Amino acid sequence: QSVLTQPPSASGTPGQRVTISCSGSSSNIGSSPVNWYQQLPGTAPKLLIYSDYQRPSGVPDRFSGSKSGTSASLAISGLQSEDDADYYCAAWDDSLIVFGTGTKVTVL
Amino acid sequence: QVQLQESGPGLVKPSGTLSLTCGVSGGSITSRNWWSWVRQPPGKGLEWIGEISHSGRTNYNPTLKSRVTISVDKSKNQFSLNLDSVTAADTAVYFCAREAQGGAIDYWGRGTLITVSS
Repeated sequence: QSVLTQPPSASGTPGQRVTISCSGSSSNIGSSPVNWYQQLPGTAPKLLIYSDYQRPSGVPDRFSGSKSGTSASLAISGLQSEDDADYYCAAWDDSLIVFGTGTKVTVL
Repeated sequence: QVQLQESGPGLVKPSGTLSLTCGVSGGSITSRNWWSWVRQPPGKGLEWIGEISHSGRTNYNPTLKSRVTISVDKSKNQFSLNLDSVTAADTAVYFCAREAQGGAIDYWGRGTLITVSS
């Protein structure tokens, strides 16, 4: 049912930069703020980026978000072992929140 | 620091009703935030179920709308989820959460696994 498409996986070695894409449409990403979540195994998701590029207090500046048209991206620079997790984008679509398909980031 | 805690039976029979409550502490449910339910089937992605405001206004995911009711109890500082006519496809970890601006979910409960089985 996800209307936001993400690559299923991404990987990198410690210190590298990894980028995750999130593709949507004019009814969601094209007209709504994009939020990003990190989910470590067995835990609840954690808000990583809100309103396209804003970082909540406590989120390292290694994480950055951007948006252009109907696509958004999350970049992780200086990859660390603790970044090994699932990442989800999300946006409003009409009157419901839609999540991306999720991307598993593996730190090699 | 806002904290949310889901509670309810972990096992529901097929065709029965799934009922969960989310207790909110460290903050008031009458704040300007909306309050959500999100679920995640084992090994799968996140699905938004719906939301409620402190005044009782609701929005539901159209795919679940006919079976879902979300309500709020201001006196107990909690909100609840009812999902009717459940099947095995409703087996999932259910999270309650708080929405901030732009629909960003800034606080999450730890989640509770609900299994639908006879």
